[in-house]
Amino acid sequence: GESVGLHLPTLSVQEGDNSIINCAYSNSASDYFIWYKQESGKGPQFIIDIRSNMDKRQGQRVTVLLNKTVKHLSLQIAATQPGDSAVYFCAEKLFTDKLIFGTGTRLQVFP
Amino acid sequence: DADVTQTPRNRITKTGKRIMLECSQTKGHDRMYWYRQDPGLGLRLIYYSFDVKDINKGEISDGYSVSRQAQAKFSLSLESAIPNQTALYFCATRGGAEETQYFGPGTRLLVL
Repeated sequence: GESVGLHLPTLSVQEGDNSIINCAYSNSASDYFIWYKQESGKGPQFIIDIRSNMDKRQGQRVTVLLNKTVKHLSLQIAATQPGDSAVYFCAEKLFTDKLIFGTGTRLQVFP
Repeated sequence: DADVTQTPRNRITKTGKRIMLECSQTKGHDRMYWYRQDPGLGLRLIYYSFDVKDINKGEISDGYSVSRQAQAKFSLSLESAIPNQTALYFCATRGGAEETQYFGPGTRLLVL
């Protein structure tokens, strides 16, 4: 499959452990944030989102935390599975319709 | 996600050729977007459209043009392809009430 990012930071975790992927966003005025998962050869897939008036949001096995003070976003994946192996990237939205995307982190899950 | 389809999935072309990448969606969304993805870079917006009569340039529109033939179809053209347009190209859609953008599977373009 394609190589989405040749020099991405990589997080390696053991199957069953929890994963935490971090993202620093650029603009304090951003009001909406999204995490995407991109598997090799596929398009980005929506995982979870959060608005700026929230600090935490939970989905199925995933949690997003937002720290506006330091402009930091994190994605927590519980009980990481081999199928979670992918590139994960965050996106922020300012007052316009446009999303600003991060470069991503590669998650590798080993048995 | 079969709701957003892109054709072709892979394309090899030569410098100077005109090519078209097509995107179709069955999500009923009014907003559509074209992005390119390069290694080590985040997705960058080429063009976007809020409806059939509304087309807007993104941050890297030079060398590209688009056509919104219908609400469900948004095509991207490279008027005269050059090697630095070699990239992954993604189409995305968004419904008016949502913030989330949904992506197609991508087209891998190689310009020789």
